[in-house]
Amino acid sequence: GENVEQHPSTLSVQEGDSAVIKCTYSDSASNYFPWYKQELGKGPQLIIDIRSNVGEKKDQRIAVTLNKTAKHFSLHITETQPEDSAVYFCAAPNTGRRALTFGSGTRLQVQP
Amino acid sequence: DAGVIQSPRHEVTEMGQEVTLRCKPISGHNSLFWYRQTMMRGLELLIYFNNNVPIDDSGMPEDRFSAKMPNASFSTLKIQPSEPRDSAVYFCASSPGQDTQGGLFFGEGSRLTVL
Repeated sequence: GENVEQHPSTLSVQEGDSAVIKCTYSDSASNYFPWYKQELGKGPQLIIDIRSNVGEKKDQRIAVTLNKTAKHFSLHITETQPEDSAVYFCAAPNTGRRALTFGSGTRLQVQP
Repeated sequence: DAGVIQSPRHEVTEMGQEVTLRCKPISGHNSLFWYRQTMMRGLELLIYFNNNVPIDDSGMPEDRFSAKMPNASFSTLKIQPSEPRDSAVYFCASSPGQDTQGGLFFGEGSRLTVL
């Protein structure tokens, strides 16, 4: 089945700096790569996703890049703000493409 | 629009007791998922349904766990008997399509503590 690895496990940045979180996946047939943000006491919330027919997607301060050859994708947050502090998860479709396998999560802390 | 609704939000029970977690998916969504989240194992898929039919329950830890979806607007996850190692946050999620590309929409979770 799909194996998703995520790094780093924790990331601390100063407000205004950029943050980058990276994930690798194992199944070369995977074609959909979402990112989720989880705030304390809440469920994960989809913030951006990318499909395999594009290499980059942006939405205001967040962007996701995909390298299908290397089987990795990354989340980029620019001009970080304290409200960006949360746990971020990457994911990829599991075998059968009907559910998602999640990475282990990255705890991002933005220092004011 | 209402999101995925889970109940109870918190449950504290004693070992050996039966636990039932409930989920109401987003109206019109065809797929429903149960995930478990722990510090050690992260987010694990337990089971998912498509059009109320269980598709893959290979993530269910053991026979003490069971899940049902009697109709399109309701699902339950039952643990009987419960054990301390079942303590976790259990999430229900729903998706508009038959695959993952519509995104998964998660509820707020049910935090279970088994003493």
